[in-house]
Amino acid sequence: AQSVTQPDIHITVSEGASLELRCNYSYGATPYLFWYVQSPGQGLQLLLKYFSGDTLVQGIKGFEAEFKRSQSSFNLRKPSVHWSDAAEYFCAGGMFSGGYNKLIFGAGTRLAVHP
Amino acid sequence: KAGVTQTPRYLIKTRGQQVTLSCSPISGHRSVSWYQQTPGQGLQFLFEYFSETQRNKGNFPGRFSGRQFSNSRSEMNVSTLELGDSALYLCASSLETGGTENIQYFGAGTRLSVL
Repeated sequence: AQSVTQPDIHITVSEGASLELRCNYSYGATPYLFWYVQSPGQGLQLLLKYFSGDTLVQGIKGFEAEFKRSQSSFNLRKPSVHWSDAAEYFCAGGMFSGGYNKLIFGAGTRLAVHP
Repeated sequence: KAGVTQTPRYLIKTRGQQVTLSCSPISGHRSVSWYQQTPGQGLQFLFEYFSETQRNKGNFPGRFSGRQFSNSRSEMNVSTLELGDSALYLCASSLETGGTENIQYFGAGTRLSVL
């Protein structure tokens, strides 16, 4: 079965520290991969996406993610975290061929930022 | 360009009632997907509509249904509400170009509380 796993439920970092959120996927073939962020009471905002090509993708708000096929991973990184980055982060996978349009989400990682 | 709009933002219902949630996609987007978000189950795919037809369906009981209108606006309906239906319901729209690089953009969600 297709799945997306985020091993870390909660992560706490200090403001200014670097951040890495982990994501692993299990699909029959390489899916398209996304990172979304959700602030309390809000919907999901797309941070970045990977379809093909360059395995290091840049997103909004200074985030980047690296696709590693050998490790079935798509980890999200930021070199210096700001207090406003505190939110919940979701990794998602999708395969859209043949009109199949559905995202499978990981359980999410809640990020807390200490001043 | 306006984003995905969901109405209402909040709903309180009692068990046994039914409820209708509305979603207006981004202008030009023809695919609308619905997701349920709960603390226990996370983000789960409900169904997707394209050109007024349900194209994909998740693993939810028949009490959950939806439809899409000719202007791509979508509604979802939950009949005979149960306490476990309390959740944030998220709608997403995507630009269906016939290709496979679909990006889903999410609304702010409707928070349903069943008492």
